[in-house]
Amino acid sequence: EAQVTQNPRYLITVTGKKLTVTCSQNMNHEYMSWYRQDPGLGLRQIYYSMNVEVTDKGDVPEGYKVSRKEKRNFPLILESPSPNQTSLYFCASSYSGPTYEQYFGPGTRLTVT
Amino acid sequence: DQQVKQNSPSLSVQEGRISILNCDYTNSMFDYFLWYKKYPAEGPTFLISISSIKDKNEDGRFTVFLNKSAKHLSLHIVPSQPGDSAVYFCAASEVTGNQFYFGTGTSLTVIP
Repeated sequence: EAQVTQNPRYLITVTGKKLTVTCSQNMNHEYMSWYRQDPGLGLRQIYYSMNVEVTDKGDVPEGYKVSRKEKRNFPLILESPSPNQTSLYFCASSYSGPTYEQYFGPGTRLTVT
Repeated sequence: DQQVKQNSPSLSVQEGRISILNCDYTNSMFDYFLWYKKYPAEGPTFLISISSIKDKNEDGRFTVFLNKSAKHLSLHIVPSQPGDSAVYFCAASEVTGNQFYFGTGTSLTVIP
């Protein structure tokens, strides 16, 4: 089954404790991206990757890091989480770039206290 | 600054009637537009798209209209069904770019 998986689905952590949210897709997609969803702000793009070893900033990259060492995986790293990073995070992938539909993961609900 | 705006946070429609969801954008360089549908506790799923060379695209009960001069697009759902109740996001991008910009979403409720 074609899918994007994210782990964990729910995470409660404390300020400053490094964490990684994993994302994996099994569709051999080139393009992968991370979004955060906040009330009244919709979905905002954090980082995206056009292919292995190619990553770039989206609209709200501050406080986040990503890596793309393999085509299927695109982890999101919060080196020192802060309460303003409490949000719902979605990973997505598409065949290649913005003219192709994106497939989204189920989301990761992160709470930073 | 929000480049894609959905000014109606919510919309209620009777089953069988037409639902019209609106989206405005500010960046004249956007040339590809998509609509996504999101149920609670799930990720968004793609619904329909349109490129700027067209002004209309249909897929079954769903039609998207694009008015480039007004920087406005709309999604029409006819007839509306209770299963259409969800949050709808519009999104925009430049074909030559790699970023996506989403609106804030409109929560549609279809009343049986």
